[in-house]
Amino acid sequence: EADIYQTPRYLVIGTGKKITLECSQTMGHDKMYWYQQDPGMELHLIHYSYGVNSTEKGDLSSESTVSRIRTEHFPLTLESARPSHTSQYLCASSADRGQSTNEKLFFGSGTQLSVL
Amino acid sequence: AQKITQTQPGMFVQEKEAVTLDCTYDTSDPSYGLFWYKQPSSGEMIFLIYQGSYDQQNATEGRYSLNFQKARKSANLVISASQLGDSAMYFCAMREPYNFNKFYFGSGTKLNVKP
Repeated sequence: EADIYQTPRYLVIGTGKKITLECSQTMGHDKMYWYQQDPGMELHLIHYSYGVNSTEKGDLSSESTVSRIRTEHFPLTLESARPSHTSQYLCASSADRGQSTNEKLFFGSGTQLSVL
Repeated sequence: AQKITQTQPGMFVQEKEAVTLDCTYDTSDPSYGLFWYKQPSSGEMIFLIYQGSYDQQNATEGRYSLNFQKARKSANLVISASQLGDSAMYFCAMREPYNFNKFYFGSGTKLNVKP
């Protein structure tokens, strides 16, 4: 059902490499989010966007950066990966209908990042 | 303060029995939405059920129902007739429309269904 895609699904990379995690959605959603999640743990919001050219930092400090040049695309970049960045990264989107409460988050399948 | 609290890190239930997963929330907004998501071991997040703060009746979706007690600020998920495929992490979440439309997630409950 979900039309939100993340690539790659798994990524194993060495310390110091630059990486970009891709996230795209075809639902025309204005709001997009990145969450970081360690295995079996809660989700932490690291970035979100209200629309094109809008990006905000989330509740958990992250060394990653994001961009929103197109509505459908919300990539996350790590300039220099470290073992502490090993985690699952989940991208999500939701429609923007003013102050409604029932707009759920649609999630991608996640990227499991391992930095050696 | 924690916006969403899930006090059961892990739960076991026998197949075909019902199970309740607890969730309490904290908000001063009169309007909010409550959600439950399921996360299997494969990692994706699957939306299960939604309850609005002004909804008069408890939400139901198939085998899932939400026991919404507004005065207690609780939104427990009830899964009836558990199946082996229900084994997963379950997350309660809240959306506050007047707080930049943020979603808050609980720490999750790991449900194991025993055959």
